[in-house]
Amino acid sequence: ETGVTQSPTHLIKTRGQQVTLRCSSQSGHNTVSWYQQALGQGPQFIFQYYREEENGRGNFPPRFSGLQFPNYSSELNVNALELDDSALYLCASSFQAGWEKSYRNRGGRGYTFGSGTRLTVV
Amino acid sequence: AQTVTQSQPEMSVQEAETVTLSCTYDTSESDYYLFWYKQPPSRQMILVIRQEAYKQQNATENRFSVNFQKAAKSFSLKISDSQLGDAAMYFCASIIGNQFYFGTGTSLTVIP
Repeated sequence: ETGVTQSPTHLIKTRGQQVTLRCSSQSGHNTVSWYQQALGQGPQFIFQYYREEENGRGNFPPRFSGLQFPNYSSELNVNALELDDSALYLCASSFQAGWEKSYRNRGGRGYTFGSGTRLTVV
Repeated sequence: AQTVTQSQPEMSVQEAETVTLSCTYDTSESDYYLFWYKQPPSRQMILVIRQEAYKQQNATENRFSVNFQKAAKSFSLKISDSQLGDAAMYFCASIIGNQFYFGTGTSLTVIP
């Protein structure tokens, strides 16, 4: 059983540029969540993708966007990079059955996190 | 609203001793779940322990146990017989729907 793989591990970009981060979900998982972890902070929820559709979004501007592919891997795209976008970006995969789309009765079970991409904006 | 607060930025413990990490939370939900995650230098978030709020009994996982005080909205983690491999950032978290809410973390140092 493979875990969650994120690429690249480190990345340096210039303010105003665009960046794409990638996440391969764990085998058997169909849902990917993205989190931003600024230095000295806990991770903050960006959004989640389930069956190729956005399924919940945190308090992040529209320049943060994502995709999920038929193989359940996912991309996080950030446009017009700002210095404050410098952070560790984590993705987490999980399995979601269609009838429990609300997640309420799952209680956070079965999430696997990747090791993140460290993005530095200069 | 959902907030998770960790007031101890750093803690240290002697190897083989016991340490307790503190966490308080606030929620408007009646049914919720609480977690402690460990983040070693590898950066991957690893689940340490999970507590269902409707259960009175405190969760335990080997050397890790929690003290869940629902009325006080407190959720502390006790690590017994601390090992060098326990050194890491520890995050307290809750989940509402499909969104985790994390605290700011406690950096745990284990002294040989």
